[in-house]
Amino acid sequence: DAGVIQSPRHEVTEMGQEVTLRCKPISGHDYLFWYRQTMMRGLELLIYFNNNVPIDDSGMPEDRFSAKMPNASFSTLKIQPSEPRDSAVYFCASSSRNYGYTFGSGTRLTVV
Amino acid sequence: AQSVTQPDIHITVSEGASLELRCNYSYGATPYLFWYVQSPGQGLQLLLKYFSGDTLVQGIKGFEAEFKRSQSSFNLRKPSVHWSDAAEYFCAVGAGNTPLVFGKGTRLSVIA
Repeated sequence: DAGVIQSPRHEVTEMGQEVTLRCKPISGHDYLFWYRQTMMRGLELLIYFNNNVPIDDSGMPEDRFSAKMPNASFSTLKIQPSEPRDSAVYFCASSSRNYGYTFGSGTRLTVV
Repeated sequence: AQSVTQPDIHITVSEGASLELRCNYSYGATPYLFWYVQSPGQGLQLLLKYFSGDTLVQGIKGFEAEFKRSQSSFNLRKPSVHWSDAAEYFCAVGAGNTPLVFGKGTRLSVIA
């Protein structure tokens, strides 16, 4: 099993550009989570899905953020337009009902 | 609302010395408790978890943690620290299928 796969590992973009982060969860896991990690705020839950359906997006900071899970093997987190304060490491994690949380290696986003 | 407090932001220990990282939680129901470790540039790796039963749980890499309900604590311990244990450690709490809430983390430095 390759684990949770995130791409890209690093993204540098200019303010105002659209950014798309991608995640492939572990096969058979029915929960998918997007977290953001910063020095100031630590790990923040942005949104999570169960069986591809968004359950709670109250952590999404603004309308500039959106997430989709079109099928059980793929999810995206999009920021449009991006701002410097969005710079952070974004983690995707997947889980099964027995709480086998597995994290991806993260995407380090830098908005200049 | 559930919360996790890790009182120590940064701890330095000598290689071979014992280690205890503190974690206190606030949760309205019987919690599931977790410790994760994050090496620089990496995602979070599960060290151990407590769901029920024996309050002393063993994890990977020689770590253990003890659940103390009366103190709302779940401290992580290791009898002899190795230089490779230097990393960031996160305590997390959850229940059922609710997303995990993470503490702010404790950075561990190991000196010779």
